[in-house]
Amino acid sequence: SQQGEEDPQALSIQEGENATMNCSYKTSINNLQWYRQNSGRGLVHLILIRSNEREKHSGRLRVTLDTSKKSSSLLITASRAADTASYFCATDARGSYIPTFGRGTSLIVHP
Amino acid sequence: DGGITQSPKYLFRKEGQNVTLSCEQNLNHDAMYWYRQDPGQGLRLIYYSQIVNDFQKGDIAEGYSVSREKKESFPLTVTSAQKNPTAFYLCASKGYEKLFFGSGTQLSVL
Repeated sequence: SQQGEEDPQALSIQEGENATMNCSYKTSINNLQWYRQNSGRGLVHLILIRSNEREKHSGRLRVTLDTSKKSSSLLITASRAADTASYFCATDARGSYIPTFGRGTSLIVHP
Repeated sequence: DGGITQSPKYLFRKEGQNVTLSCEQNLNHDAMYWYRQDPGQGLRLIYYSQIVNDFQKGDIAEGYSVSREKKESFPLTVTSAQKNPTAFYLCASKGYEKLFFGSGTQLSVL
């Protein structure tokens, strides 16, 4: 069963702009993670935020978590053409420890 | 180089045939997972293993089988009972709460 759902499904922006994608989930979680996938490749871990954290930064990435709304957002600042990829959120449900993925957001950054 | 190795990159299956996808890791991780990815549907869990000689069905296990005889290896067999096997298959292991993925196997039906 799909735990997380990303929004929007697709996002097209110009280089230099910020990209924001959102993830909603259904049950209580231990943590939420964001992954990136280039076309035809495996996923690469970007950032993890725990259920007791509200915001986390890593380079040009900023992740927020609102457990009361069961939602998270990923912000990529000053986007580059190389950021073009699909981005997935994954949650470890409380008591499960089995990562469950959403359908992903496809990001295209035009040079 | 530490990581997850999947092979082959491309695989073709004839009707009625079983095929096996290889997944090897040298990260010393206990937990390993197999996901199926169809266009627009994200990743769906097929099987997972938390420890050697133990594995559990995921959400879409029908038509698939696995084994976990060694910590490093978690092969997936797509059996003839899987009527729609065309998809991108991803193997992962888990360490420090993160998943480490292989580069995937694209399975197609001839």
